[in-house]
Amino acid sequence: GDSVTQMEGPVTLSEEAFLTINCTYTATGYPSLFWYVQYPGEGLQLLLKATKADDKGSNKGFEATYRKETTSFHLEKGSVQVSDSAVYFCALTDIFGNEKLTFGTGTRLTIIP
Amino acid sequence: KAGVTQTPRYLIKTRGQQVTLSCSPISGHRSVSWYQQTPGQGLQFLFEYFSETQRNKGNFPGRFSGRQFSNSRSEMNVSTLELGDSALYLCASSSTGLAGLTGTQYFGPGTRLTVL
Repeated sequence: GDSVTQMEGPVTLSEEAFLTINCTYTATGYPSLFWYVQYPGEGLQLLLKATKADDKGSNKGFEATYRKETTSFHLEKGSVQVSDSAVYFCALTDIFGNEKLTFGTGTRLTIIP
Repeated sequence: KAGVTQTPRYLIKTRGQQVTLSCSPISGHRSVSWYQQTPGQGLQFLFEYFSETQRNKGNFPGRFSGRQFSNSRSEMNVSTLELGDSALYLCASSSTGLAGLTGTQYFGPGTRLTVL
């Protein structure tokens, strides 16, 4: 079945550092790929998405490119802020009529000033 | 546009009881999905409803059930609660249609269920 493998955490960075959180996937169909973020005590917020190969999703300075050849969707940000501290989840859905999201295990990110 | 709302936000129950959680989707969204989040198992898909029909189901026992009403609001029910059912239950809605490409799911704040 479909699966998502995500970089183990926790990750601690200094403010203004460069961030990469690795995500690779296994899917039999044509998945859409997502990054969701969860702040303490809250639900999941959609951060960005990509629906086909070579698409780049971006939002709030975060970017991720759908790489079919390496089955990857790594999350990057050039300069992180303390407010980026949260748990980040990589996820996929099968594009054809199946709303089920398959999630990675999540990566806890802490940014220190 | 209002987001996905879930009630109640917090619940405390004892083993053997049953519980009903409610979810109101974003206006115009007809698909509602439910997920369970625990520290040990992470985020797991429970089921999805579209136009009052269960369209997809995850690997959970029959104690977990749900339904959707004509206004797209959804409820999930857990009967005979066990300690392991303690979790954050998240609801998500999507604008997906009857057939074709899946939509993007938007999540509510969740209901924190504690089973004692």
